[in-house]
Amino acid sequence: AAGVIQSPRHLIKEKRETATLKCYPIPRHDTVYWYQQGPGQDPQFLISFYEKMQSDKGSIPDRFSAQQFSDYHSELNMSSLELGDSALYFCASSLSGRFEQFFGPGTRLTVL
Amino acid sequence: GDSVTQMEGPVTLSEEAFLTINCTYTATGYPSLFWYVQYPGEGLQLLLKATKADDKGSNKGFEATYRKETTSFHLEKGSVQVSDSAVYFCALSDRGKAAGNKLTFGGGTRVLVKP
Repeated sequence: AAGVIQSPRHLIKEKRETATLKCYPIPRHDTVYWYQQGPGQDPQFLISFYEKMQSDKGSIPDRFSAQQFSDYHSELNMSSLELGDSALYFCASSLSGRFEQFFGPGTRLTVL
Repeated sequence: GDSVTQMEGPVTLSEEAFLTINCTYTATGYPSLFWYVQYPGEGLQLLLKATKADDKGSNKGFEATYRKETTSFHLEKGSVQVSDSAVYFCALSDRGKAAGNKLTFGGGTRVLVKP
């Protein structure tokens, strides 16, 4: 079965650079979520979108923005990167009306 | 706000031993409950779920029952294998919106099964 696709899988950036992470949800899923997982930590919710509209917002820094496009894929844009932004970034998707979320393999971002 | 508390690890077991990971939650509404598993270097996989009180989720020999009276969702497996070594996360989703409800995770429990 098709799963959530994230790209790139690994990304290395310098401080103050920008990064764009992409997420392609499971076909027919209309809701996407972004989470950040630091080393040895549990995933922290950043933001979610349903039908291209922001649905919920968590602890997402103002330096980050995200959107969902008409084909339901989503992009997380991160600017003025800081060392503390180094983490695993997961995208998840779900079908509206269903509460289980399916996660992608993650993008490992390293900020040097 | 909502929160999930699960037992700290690591939990070290021998193969074929019984596994229990405790999970309790606090929520303002009536949440759905989940267990996710994360193998080294991989993403989170949905292991099982329960959406209402007394529901039992089960998958791959793992079980958990939604106990509203004790606000708990403990994970159990009768006979673990080396391949069950992973980090297990308990999570809840409030149902305040029709879509886009965030997951709130517990801190994760690392399980190591030795041959």
